[in-house]
Amino acid sequence: QITLKESGPTLVKPTETLTLTCTFSGFSLTTSGVGVGWIRQPPGKALEWLAVVYWDDFKRYSPSLKSRLSITKDTSKSQVVLTMTNMDPVDTATYYCAHRAPLSGLFDNWGQGTLVTVSS
Amino acid sequence: DIQMTQSPSSVSASVGDRVTITCRASQRASSWLGWYRQRPGEAPELVIHAASTLQRGIPSRFSGSGSGTDFTLTINSLQPEDFGTYYCQQANSLFTFGPGTKVDIK
Repeated sequence: QITLKESGPTLVKPTETLTLTCTFSGFSLTTSGVGVGWIRQPPGKALEWLAVVYWDDFKRYSPSLKSRLSITKDTSKSQVVLTMTNMDPVDTATYYCAHRAPLSGLFDNWGQGTLVTVSS
Repeated sequence: DIQMTQSPSSVSASVGDRVTITCRASQRASSWLGWYRQRPGEAPELVIHAASTLQRGIPSRFSGSGSGTDFTLTINSLQPEDFGTYYCQQANSLFTFGPGTKVDIK
């Protein structure tokens, strides 16, 4: 059974850097084709993909946020870390991590999400 | 970047109704197209992948069709647990979600 769980601060100040950790189980991020992605959802709004890291350490970012994002993996800890710099109130959202399935290329298992509020 | 649009943006339906949602990609999405259901307060759940393949554990009242740039999700005999918001997503070039279609109770 695949599970993922996000952890990190619930409140950050404007201009600060956000660091979120996704801890997963039930799969290995060394298996060919597997990835872990981050997706966010502002309150009452649509889903927005942010970043993904693959089993071979290949990384892709949303073009609109690329300059602010960094994604890394630690396979020994079964964790993926997302950092987002220069946080702004518009970045207030629920942040999800999700397992990217090798065959479909889609996110077939999601964490419960963590709400991050950006406010001074 | 591939942009996704969905229609309608919202639909009111009753239990037992058939609901159809369409999704259009600005460029060819090939078969890397999926549909997600998001119930209020919950994480999204993948219901259809490869445009028309039912995800494991998803009931057969859900079906998907389409190819290239135009796709459709159909829910036959809507059930109470199906109310929520539905998103399409392409994975042919990076990842893009559609704006969502809210299905609420008539």
